[in-house]
Amino acid sequence: ETGVTQTPRHLVMGMTNKKSLKCEQHLGHNAMYWYKQSAKKPLELMFVYNFKEQTENNSVPSRFSPECPNSSHLFLHLHTLQPEDSALYLCASSGTTLRGGNSPLHFGNGTRLTVT
Amino acid sequence: LAKTTQPISMDSYEGQEVNITCSHNNIATNDYITWYQQFPSQGPRFIIQGYKTKVTNEVASLFIPADRKSSTLSLPRVSLSDTAVYYCLVGDLGVGGNQFYFGTGTSLTVIP
Repeated sequence: ETGVTQTPRHLVMGMTNKKSLKCEQHLGHNAMYWYKQSAKKPLELMFVYNFKEQTENNSVPSRFSPECPNSSHLFLHLHTLQPEDSALYLCASSGTTLRGGNSPLHFGNGTRLTVT
Repeated sequence: LAKTTQPISMDSYEGQEVNITCSHNNIATNDYITWYQQFPSQGPRFIIQGYKTKVTNEVASLFIPADRKSSTLSLPRVSLSDTAVYYCLVGDLGVGGNQFYFGTGTSLTVIP
């Protein structure tokens, strides 16, 4: 149990489908992140949210749409994806230390997405 | 953002000490060094973090020289379950400084 729960664990979708990935953190953190990890590639930072506000959009195509309704929940809405979007999508969260800075990242176990 | 360079892969026998070095020549004054471990099909897991000199926890040690342009993760007496990818990250942990970028990491294989 990592404190960060992602659902579903596996998802297969066609290019015309619309689906959503869900992330929930139970750690009281105020920052949440989406990362994409393609086969044999480094993790790519997609989006960062601080206190529900998006503070980073790392040139992600508009077919990926994040939503952060509160500090505990993060969604990634998917539509008209391409086969090259198949990857492991990881959610993470971080909190604020006593110094006022950011704690290390806590990751979920990801959603394995396959676009057919 | 400070770029990090690590060896792509390493092999080690069980029971040996493993040292993985990360280069970060343009590390900034406010940057901390953090190491993560990732098993296949799982999210990375925090191992250790430091700013300077030496940090030790129950899992690993982190050695950082005075110039902070590199750091070394030391794993004592590795076992087969330590086979994983290890990532070195450098970043400002200050408020708002949470753009955490991962490099290619080091794939460690522990051999029986």
